[in-house]
Amino acid sequence: SQQGEEDPQALSIQEGENATMNCSYKTSINNLQWYRQNSGRGLVHLILIRSNEREKHSGRLRVTLDTSKKSSSLLITASRAADTASYFCATENGNKLVFGAGTILRVKS
Amino acid sequence: GAVVSQHPSWVICKSGTSVKIECRSLDFQATTMFWYRQFPKQSLMLMATSNEGSKATYEQGVEKDKFLINHASLTLSTLTVTSAHPEDSSFYICSATRTGFANTGELFFGEGSRLTVL
Repeated sequence: SQQGEEDPQALSIQEGENATMNCSYKTSINNLQWYRQNSGRGLVHLILIRSNEREKHSGRLRVTLDTSKKSSSLLITASRAADTASYFCATENGNKLVFGAGTILRVKS
Repeated sequence: GAVVSQHPSWVICKSGTSVKIECRSLDFQATTMFWYRQFPKQSLMLMATSNEGSKATYEQGVEKDKFLINHASLTLSTLTVTSAHPEDSSFYICSATRTGFANTGELFFGEGSRLTVL
């Protein structure tokens, strides 16, 4: 069963704006990962945040994790048209990754 | 970064035929590979976990005889959709890990294979 659920399902913003996507999960985790998928392509790993971390940065990406609320957020700052893609959070279930429903992000130029 | 190649990237076949999709890790040995299925605008659904030299572990609801998975070497896993029907049309994605663990961020994905069954 899917463990991570994202919101919003779809997000449309103007280039230069920030985009925030949220993910909620149900069980305890060791880490949470975010992936990106361009339309019709495979997934690319963006960032992994461990359960003992609260915030992590990578370039224009900022990920937060609140284990008490079982939620995470992905912030993309100064968005670009090339950021248009689907974004998924993923949590582990044994040795398997379970992906959330994803957020479709569209950045308009 | 590690590269996973998936082939073919798209295939169209007639109902009743079988289709084989290959997933190769090009620059590392993949002890474990995962096969996912994705419907349009939906998330990835794990179909099975494939370990080199052993039988694949299928997720609940996935037909073993319908979706044959073979992981004969450390760099190649194949998914065969047998007697394909239009409802099998989907985007199939493989991923591979060299660590044997999917939760370490060392999971690399192929580009996916779009299957259309007429």
